[in-house]
Amino acid sequence: GENVEQHPSTLSVQEGDSAVIKCTYSDSASNYFPWYKQELGKRPQLIIDIRSNVGEKKDQRIAVTLNKTAKHFSLHITETQPEDSAVYFCAAPLSYNQGGKLIFGQGTELSVKP
Amino acid sequence: SAVISQKPSRDICQRGTSLTIQCQVDSQVTMMFWYRQQPGQSLTLIATANQGSEATYESGFVIDKFPISRPNLTFSTLTVSNMSPEDSSIYLCSVEDSAGETGGELFFGEGSRLTVL
Repeated sequence: GENVEQHPSTLSVQEGDSAVIKCTYSDSASNYFPWYKQELGKRPQLIIDIRSNVGEKKDQRIAVTLNKTAKHFSLHITETQPEDSAVYFCAAPLSYNQGGKLIFGQGTELSVKP
Repeated sequence: SAVISQKPSRDICQRGTSLTIQCQVDSQVTMMFWYRQQPGQSLTLIATANQGSEATYESGFVIDKFPISRPNLTFSTLTVSNMSPEDSSIYLCSVEDSAGETGGELFFGEGSRLTVL
């Protein structure tokens, strides 16, 4: 089955700086890699995802890159703002073709200092 | 997007008791997923609730501890049985936005925060 490792567990940046969170996965058949943001006391919400047929995807200040050969994917947040402070989770399907069944990384608590 | 309502939002329970969490979705969905988030931890899939068939459980979770019902395409319940303090967690109901491809956005309910004393 799939295994997902996420680093770092905590990340503190100054407002305006960039933040990068990295995840590795074990199953080479995995083809879908979402990122969820969870604000304190709130439900997780999808912020961006990438499928294995592309290497990079951007949405305004957020981007995700995928390296299938190395089996890792990363979240990049540019021009960070205090409202970016949250816990971020990467994820991958538990097994091939099981989209709703995700295994999540351990989470990264991002703190953006004004 | 799907709107998911969960009840209760939080509860304090006594050791040895059972509690049933309800999940209502505003549209018909084939599968509903139950996740657990222990304090300060990540999310772990407990089981998939299938309409018209038994739920499928992930490794480490069993039906006797977490019985699930799925009476129709918009509703499911998860029961946490014979609770112990280790069951103190947020339990999240979720559904997938079927986009036609393998893997779609998961929408989560607001969660049910259980504290077991």
